[in-house]
Amino acid sequence: NAGVTQTPKFQVLKTGQSMTLQCAQDMNHNSMYWYRQDPGMGLRLIYYSASEGTTDKGEVPNGYNVSRLNKREFSLRLESAAPSQTSVYFCASSPGVYFSYEQYFGPGTRLTVT
Amino acid sequence: AQKITQTQPGMFVQEKEAVTLDCTYDTSDQSYGLFWYKQPSSGEMIFLIYQGSYDEQNATEGRYSLNFQKARKSANLVISASQLGDSAMYFCVGGDTGRRALTFGSGTRLQVQP
Repeated sequence: NAGVTQTPKFQVLKTGQSMTLQCAQDMNHNSMYWYRQDPGMGLRLIYYSASEGTTDKGEVPNGYNVSRLNKREFSLRLESAAPSQTSVYFCASSPGVYFSYEQYFGPGTRLTVT
Repeated sequence: AQKITQTQPGMFVQEKEAVTLDCTYDTSDQSYGLFWYKQPSSGEMIFLIYQGSYDEQNATEGRYSLNFQKARKSANLVISASQLGDSAMYFCVGGDTGRRALTFGSGTRLQVQP
């Protein structure tokens, strides 16, 4: 039981390049989330998915797209990376379709855009 | 929407002593939750404790307790008998039950000294 896994762990991009961050959970959770954490700050929600086939914008969605491929997987895509997107990205999941206070986090992806 | 404020960027505590990490919140919702997450230097996010807005008793989980004062809109985390392994970043987090997202404070870095 791996919990929430994220790939890659580290990535360096040049401005304008694209990439997809992958997230998978094996806990049969309904809801999945993408957050970013900038230095010295708490996490901010980018997008979330309450169930397979649904996605909703969070606090900072601009510059990102997401896909809930199936119940297990939720990917985050940067179409044209910008230095402002340098951050640590966390994927999380929670059991319910509705509000859940306990979210299970992945180990994070450290992204640097030069 | 919620706003979470943590006014202590850093705290020091001696091993075996108790420490209080401050958190205030602001929300117009009647139903909400407040939580604390711990982020060690390894980067993962670990759920610690939860308090619902309608809970009359303060939440406790082992050495962690949440001092919830609704009138003051505060949800302070108390760690008793600090251990070296408690050294980490601590985030106060709020959740409105009408939304599926969490709002993070800016964090307090706790260092436990031997």
